[in-house]
Amino acid sequence: AQSVSQHNHHVILSEAASLELGCNYSYGGTVNLFWYVQYPGQHLQLLLKYFSGDPLVKGIKGFEAEFIKSKFSFNLRKPSVQWSDTAEYFCAVNARSGANNLFFGTGTRLTVIP
Amino acid sequence: EPEVTQTPSHQVTQMGQEVILRCVPISNHLYFYWYRQILGQKVEFLVSFYNNEISEKSEIFDDQFSVERPDGSNFTLKIRSTKLEDSAMYFCASSGRRQGSSGETQYFGPGTRLLVL
Repeated sequence: AQSVSQHNHHVILSEAASLELGCNYSYGGTVNLFWYVQYPGQHLQLLLKYFSGDPLVKGIKGFEAEFIKSKFSFNLRKPSVQWSDTAEYFCAVNARSGANNLFFGTGTRLTVIP
Repeated sequence: EPEVTQTPSHQVTQMGQEVILRCVPISNHLYFYWYRQILGQKVEFLVSFYNNEISEKSEIFDDQFSVERPDGSNFTLKIRSTKLEDSAMYFCASSGRRQGSSGETQYFGPGTRLLVL
């Protein structure tokens, strides 16, 4: 079975600080990887995803993530956060050949202080 | 940009009552999903639906749950006899293609917060 771990439960940063949120998954096969964001009061939105090709993926709003297969990781990064990045961030994985559903991590709450 | 919509946004019900949560997926999508998130826990997959039948379901999705696409636009989740532990946020999602082989994105609705008293 697939599982996803997000080790940071709550991260507090000042504006302009750099961000890295960890995501590790466990699954022996090929996976698709996703980062979703949920702004306060809003629905889950896709930030970025990895399907194939370049393991460094760029998403919306200046976010990027790097798939490191040997480490089973897909960490999310942003060089300089803004107050508007305050949200909950979810890493998710889907097996390429498996069931048609996403496995989510527990989420990381990011608070950016102006 | 097309969005998945869900109604109601909040639902309060008594234990043992039936509830129906409604979703309108993105219009040209073919795959539909329900997930739930109990407060403080992970978002968990419940069921996926394609071609008018369940394609996958999790062990959470027991006999008290059912899904239906009653017309060309709505996708519903019914909980027949609610329990206290059904209190959660329920998310509907849709995608245009099967996700696994294509990396297709699932688009989520805003959720329905269900509280069972």
